[in-house]
Amino acid sequence: DAKTTQPTSMDCAEGRAANLPCNHSTISGNEYVYWYRQIHSQGPQYIIHGLKNNETNEMASLIITEDRKSSTLILPHATLRDTAVYYCIVRPRGSNYKLTFGKGTLLTVNP
Amino acid sequence: SAVISQKPSRDICQRGTSLTIQCQVDSQVTMMFWYRQQPGQSLTLIATANQGSEATYESGFVIDKFPISRPNLTFSTLTVSNMSPEDSSIYLCSAYGQGRSEQFFGPGTRLTVL
Repeated sequence: DAKTTQPTSMDCAEGRAANLPCNHSTISGNEYVYWYRQIHSQGPQYIIHGLKNNETNEMASLIITEDRKSSTLILPHATLRDTAVYYCIVRPRGSNYKLTFGKGTLLTVNP
Repeated sequence: SAVISQKPSRDICQRGTSLTIQCQVDSQVTMMFWYRQQPGQSLTLIATANQGSEATYESGFVIDKFPISRPNLTFSTLTVSNMSPEDSSIYLCSAYGQGRSEQFFGPGTRLTVL
């Protein structure tokens, strides 16, 4: 799986958009970008994934650059409950692949 | 999505004993995964459990220490054997939802070894 690089930590004000970057310059053509988050002491939660087009769901938006070497997860209106570690993972699509977790980004949403 | 439950949610154990963690999925799944999360660290995959075959262990993890059972398509157990304080971690079970490409995780089992 391609390696990803994320900032160690970020802060965001409540109600503002949180933009979490991820670099994956070695991504290959069949690899998707997946985002998960882990709220303290809970199991990781799937957020969103994409290949090359921008994606949006009820939780977040995912913006992938045209060269697919980086992406940004956007939480449009961050709340205190969005405080968590966010993991960007690159892997082929399908249900036969293990997930390899990096250190992720600790997002702290401040009141 | 898949709903995954684990038992126990937490336990405190004595050095040298063993603990078996149960993982139940609300639908049939092919592959189940066991992860360990040591204090302040990210998740590390222990092994992949396929129904009807031996589990596949990641580097640094061995069957004698972490035996896994997978008796059917909805259930798996992980045993942490001959525990030491270094085994104090959160142990998480996960699986893919039916026809889905994203993994879902259980709530974890918080293990403390004294």
